[in-house]
Amino acid sequence: NAGVTQTPKFQVLKTGQSMTLQCAQDMNHEYMSWYRQDPGMGLRLIHYSVGAGITDQGEVPNGYNVSRSTTEDFPLRLLSAAPSQTSVYFCASSYYLGTQETQYFGPGTRLLVL
Amino acid sequence: QQQVKQSPQSLIVQKGGISIINCAYENTAFDYFPWYQQFPGKGPALLIAIRPDVSEKKEGRFTISFNKSAKQFSLHIMDSQPGDSATYFCAAPGSGSARQLTFGSGTQLTVLP
Repeated sequence: NAGVTQTPKFQVLKTGQSMTLQCAQDMNHEYMSWYRQDPGMGLRLIHYSVGAGITDQGEVPNGYNVSRSTTEDFPLRLLSAAPSQTSVYFCASSYYLGTQETQYFGPGTRLLVL
Repeated sequence: QQQVKQSPQSLIVQKGGISIINCAYENTAFDYFPWYQQFPGKGPALLIAIRPDVSEKKEGRFTISFNKSAKQFSLHIMDSQPGDSATYFCAAPGSGSARQLTFGSGTQLTVLP
């Protein structure tokens, strides 16, 4: 049971390039989310999914796309990278017991946009 | 949209001391307040959570205190150890039908040996 895995661990992009951050979970969780973490700003929700085929925007969705074709995978796409997207990106999967959410985070992808 | 204010931004405590981190939220439709612990280079991990049908929850050296009327909750780390040095995040559910968590800005805790 690997939990939540993310690839790559580190990436350098030039402005305008595109890339996909991969996220996979093997816990059969329906809920998955993408966050970005910036110094002094905590974790901010980018996009989330409540199940295969269903996605929605979070707090900071601009510049990012997601899709959820399977329960296991939830990739995050940057269509045209900008320096403002330099950040650490965390994927999480979670389950709910009633209103109580338990989230499991991946190890993160550190992205530098030049 | 939910706002979660966390303080202090950084905290230095001597080994054996008590670490206290505070959070305040605005509105939430659901009562569930978790704390996450993050070590450098790692993803956050759930540390302890409270549902405010109780005002306090204790797990080992970690205690959450909750004040629903003031919309505040806090994390107390008793007998703080150097291994507790990490960044701590509080979180609160969104208002309305959104269940997604909103996180505080984080507290960097350093426990001196």
